[in-house]
Amino acid sequence: EAQVTQNPRYLITVTGKKLTVTCSQNMNHEYMSWYRQDPGLGLRQIYYSMNVEVTDKGDVPEGYKVSRKEKRNFPLILESPSPNQTSLYFCASSLLTGTGSYGYTFGSGTRLTVV
Amino acid sequence: SQQGEEDPQALSIQEGENATMNCSYKTSINNLQWYRQNSGRGLVHLILIRSNEREKHSGRLRVTLDTSKKSSSLLITASRAADTASYFCATGDDKIIFGKGTRLHILP
Repeated sequence: EAQVTQNPRYLITVTGKKLTVTCSQNMNHEYMSWYRQDPGLGLRQIYYSMNVEVTDKGDVPEGYKVSRKEKRNFPLILESPSPNQTSLYFCASSLLTGTGSYGYTFGSGTRLTVV
Repeated sequence: SQQGEEDPQALSIQEGENATMNCSYKTSINNLQWYRQNSGRGLVHLILIRSNEREKHSGRLRVTLDTSKKSSSLLITASRAADTASYFCATGDDKIIFGKGTRLHILP
């Protein structure tokens, strides 16, 4: 089944403890992206990647890192999480065409709480 | 950044009625996409309309695009309880930006 898999689904952690949220897709998509969703603010893009070893900042990259060593994986790293990073996180992937995205496939989300 | 803004923010209609949501954006686009999100779950891609298209249909969904007004609309015909969700438009080629969504509630 074509899908984007995020892990974990739920995570409670303490301030400053490094964590990684994994994202994997099995559709050979070039494009992958991370979003956070907060009430009243909608979805905001954190980082995106157009292909292996190519990553770029979205609108809210501060406090996050990503890597794209393989086409299928795009982990999100919080080196020193803070309470303001408590949020619902989504990974998404897409084929790319000459005129942009072909439509995202989203993961099921990771609900992160930083205390 | 290009950004879609949906209107209205919330909409409640009776089951069987049609629901219309609008999206406005700021700069020229290659395509515009609509997504649905059931509470707290991942977004589901509904339809993509390219800048050279004016209207597109998918089942009970009809999307229009007016590039001169920088706006799009999503029409859901003969609404059902299962259509209760939030609906988002998205624009952009590399940095893909979502609006804040329209919360649609279908009343029984």
